[in-house]
Amino acid sequence: GAGVSQSPSNKVTEKGKDVELRCDPISGHTALYWYRQSLGQGLEFLIYFQGNSAPDKSGLPSDRFSAERTGGSVSTLTIQRTQQEDSAVYLCASSFTQDTQYFGPGTRLTVL
Amino acid sequence: DQQVKQNSPSLSVQEGRISILNCDYTNSMFDYFLWYKKYPAEGPTFLISISSIKDKNEDGRFTVFLNKSAKHLSLHIVPSQPGDSAVYFCAASAMNSNYQLIWGAGTKLIIKP
Repeated sequence: GAGVSQSPSNKVTEKGKDVELRCDPISGHTALYWYRQSLGQGLEFLIYFQGNSAPDKSGLPSDRFSAERTGGSVSTLTIQRTQQEDSAVYLCASSFTQDTQYFGPGTRLTVL
Repeated sequence: DQQVKQNSPSLSVQEGRISILNCDYTNSMFDYFLWYKKYPAEGPTFLISISSIKDKNEDGRFTVFLNKSAKHLSLHIVPSQPGDSAVYFCAASAMNSNYQLIWGAGTKLIIKP
């Protein structure tokens, strides 16, 4: 069956521009997570959606970051006015149970 | 403040030998631990997990050991195979935190032929 997909796979943008990253979770998975991995770092939690509950945004590093999940399925992570420190691999994961998460391939964001 | 630490950035092991990857944590509320494996340009894939009520979980060549008193877990791979070369991440979660995974920085395992 189809796994978690993310698009684009690579994104190069100029400082100050806005970017949107997309995640298509595994069908039927109620939980969706966004993480980012900076060079040499572990995965950093950003935001968590569970069903129709209000998302847990506690990991978002600044108000330039936002995410939404439409219809309980596809999610979009938006970064406004990108900065060079936003450069990282952004990973999306979905799960049915609250333990094992299945990851997409990630979007590599480079801010010049 | 790193709650999950993998102190070895890399590890080189001869094919056929045992690979031991280590992970330490500081938060005593963690009650579930997972190991993920990541190849370049791919997302992490789940490998094996263990609940805090157990001290060992085995799945084929992979065994995870949990020492709660030492707040330490380890992943044993035996025998190591070339396809095991990857970055291994340790992650932990707590029931009272929406099962958010807290991740270590990863250990790059290189299996030498």
